Amino acid sequence: GQNIDQPTEMTATEGAIVQINCTYQTSGFNGLFWYQQHAGEAPTFLSYNVLDGLEEKGRFSSFLSRSKGYSYLLLKELQMKDSASYLCAVRDYGTDKLIFGTGTRLQVFP
Amino acid sequence: DARVTQTPRHKVTEMGQEVTMRCQPILGHNTVFWYRQTMMQGLELLAYFRNRAPLDDSGMPKDRFSAEMPDATLATLKIQPSEPRDSAVYFCASGFSGGADEQYFGPGTRLTVT
Repeated sequence: GQNIDQPTEMTATEGAIVQINCTYQTSGFNGLFWYQQHAGEAPTFLSYNVLDGLEEKGRFSSFLSRSKGYSYLLLKELQMKDSASYLCAVRDYGTDKLIFGTGTRLQVFP
Repeated sequence: DARVTQTPRHKVTEMGQEVTMRCQPILGHNTVFWYRQTMMQGLELLAYFRNRAPLDDSGMPKDRFSAEMPDATLATLKIQPSEPRDSAVYFCASGFSGGADEQYFGPGTRLTVT
């Protein structure tokens, strides 16, 4: 079976740092993706990890530990426009399928 | 600026009617995915094509849903007959098979079945 867990909601203050965690249990693993989705819009790609470690891309970083089935998305210098849902997704091994978590709704306050 | 397009963007229909949603993937992409998103269930994979061949539709209610790719520039998702529980946003996404390439999502079709 496949199971992906992430917190339902988080709040943070403008300018702060927030870490969104994702744990997964899947029958196969071929990479972990983070997507951002603003209300009423389509998901857009943020990051991809397939090996253990940290991938940094501007204000956003994503970490993966395959042995622990764990990833996090780190958002620095938060801006109001970062208020959105953040979706963790695992790609199934041998296919192109993404299994999505239910998403973490982040609200950034001034 | 290549992007996935979907039509219609909004659809309101009565229970029992047929609904057809269309998707034009990004030119050159060889995988196409149909997802359904609701508040309760999140983003669920309905069907998946690679090189136009259906590879997995296990997430789709087969009695009423069907997905096809008549050619490389068009993917369709049909619901017949539609039911109120089908109300959701339906996203199409396309990408390249394997590697680090992400899926690119279309803007979605917001379906309301009354």
